Amino acid sequence: QITLKESGPTLVKPTQTLTLTCTFSGFSLSTSHVGVGWIRQPPGKALEWLAVIYWDDDKRYSPFLKSRLTITKDTSKNQVVLTMTNMDPVDTGTYYCAHRGPVPGTVYFDYWGQGTLVTVSS
Amino acid sequence: QSVLTQPPSVSAAPGQKVTISCSGSSANIGNNYVSWYQQLPGTAPKFFIYDNSKRPSGIPDRFSGSKSGTSATLGITGLQTGDEADYYCGTWDSSLNGFVFGTGTRVTVL
Repeated sequence: QITLKESGPTLVKPTQTLTLTCTFSGFSLSTSHVGVGWIRQPPGKALEWLAVIYWDDDKRYSPFLKSRLTITKDTSKNQVVLTMTNMDPVDTGTYYCAHRGPVPGTVYFDYWGQGTLVTVSS
Repeated sequence: QSVLTQPPSVSAAPGQKVTISCSGSSANIGNNYVSWYQQLPGTAPKFFIYDNSKRPSGIPDRFSGSKSGTSATLGITGLQTGDEADYYCGTWDSSLNGFVFGTGTRVTVL
C-alpha cells in the first residue's frame, strides 16, 4: 500500500530556511505520470497547495510562493524534499506531502501523509 | 489566495442531505477535473471524489460529485455524525499553472 511521511524541524526562526523531507513507499517516482506534492494548512485555515514534482523531474510551484520554494526528488531513496526560504510566522502550519494519482490529464492527491506541524517563532 | 469559493458551513439533521458548492472559473473548474477531500478534526485530508464524480474504492455511495460549467458540487445523503468534517474541493488552474483548493466547508450534523 502507498504511505507517505513528512519529517523536518518543528520549530524554525524567522528568516531561516525550512527543509522538509517526504519519505514514501508503495510506489516509484520513476513511474510515468506519478508525482508527489506538498500542501500546507495554517492553524484553523484552508489547505494551500505549494508544489508538485513529477516522475520526469517536471516541477510546478504555487505562483504566490514560487520565489521561495524548491522541490527535488531522490528516486533511489524514495524521498522528495521541499525547501522554503525566508520563513515568517505566517508560514506556521501543518505541512503535508501527498501522492499525485498517475492518470494523465487529471490531477488529484489520493494518498496523504500524516502531516508535520512547523512553527515559525523567534 | 484561494480562487475556489465554498460556503463556510452547511448543516442538517441526521439522515438528511447536504450539498456543498465550489465556484471557480474557466481557468480551473471550467476546463479541469475536480476532486474533493474530507478532513476530520485533527487528521490529514482524505481523498473522496475525483474526476468530478468518481468515488475511490471504499467511499460510500452516499457521497456524490457533479460539475456544471465553472461550478462543482459535493452531495452527502443519509447524513451521519461521522460525516462531520471540513470538505475541500480542488482542481488544476491552467492560468496559475498550479493546483488550487477551495476555501473549505464545515459540515455539521444537528
